[in-house]
Amino acid sequence: SQTIHQWPATLVQPVGSPLSLECTVEGTSNPNLYWYRQAAGRGLQLLFYSVGIGQISSEVPQNLSASRPQDRQFILSSKKLLLSDSGFYLCAWSVGSEKLFFGSGTQLSVL
Amino acid sequence: GENVEQHPSTLSVQEGDSAVIKCTYSDSASNYFPWYKQELGKRPQLIIDIRSNVGEKKDQRIAVTLNKTAKHFSLHITETQPEDSAVYFCAAQNAGNMLTFGGGTRLMVKP
Repeated sequence: SQTIHQWPATLVQPVGSPLSLECTVEGTSNPNLYWYRQAAGRGLQLLFYSVGIGQISSEVPQNLSASRPQDRQFILSSKKLLLSDSGFYLCAWSVGSEKLFFGSGTQLSVL
Repeated sequence: GENVEQHPSTLSVQEGDSAVIKCTYSDSASNYFPWYKQELGKRPQLIIDIRSNVGEKKDQRIAVTLNKTAKHFSLHITETQPEDSAVYFCAAQNAGNMLTFGGGTRLMVKP
């Protein structure tokens, strides 16, 4: 069966520091991969999605970037974090037009 | 692009009562409508979904209805229990297989 791993679960970072969040999917090939962000008490904002290795589409311009170095690996990065980058970051995957499944999320606090 | 409106933003019901959450979408080509439940600090989890060739789908105490002509769909929870308390998100998937989420409904079930 398919599983998605996302880490770390929580992260506290100072303003201006770099960020790297990683997500891996097991049990499927060529998944569509997504990064969402959720501000406290708010909805799901799509940040990036990828349909294949090296293919990244950005939905919201910001100081974040994403990379997909391997078929089942998706990385969210930032060179310098802002206070406004705080939030709950969720990786997700789907195959074709099938259901979307979320990882367990990373609670990021930028101080 | 697709726009999904969700109402109400908060809903408080007494245990045992029914709860209804409504969503409207704008893209008539959207063909898949999932509902997610998110407990505090957890990942959104898919609880039920419906495709555009079906008008209603039921799974125990939850049901979803779809009106393609009016472009709206609803989640119905009967005999609510305290563990139903969570934030619920509707979504619509367009022909490009991208999901657009509603803003969420915070459901509180009072014992």
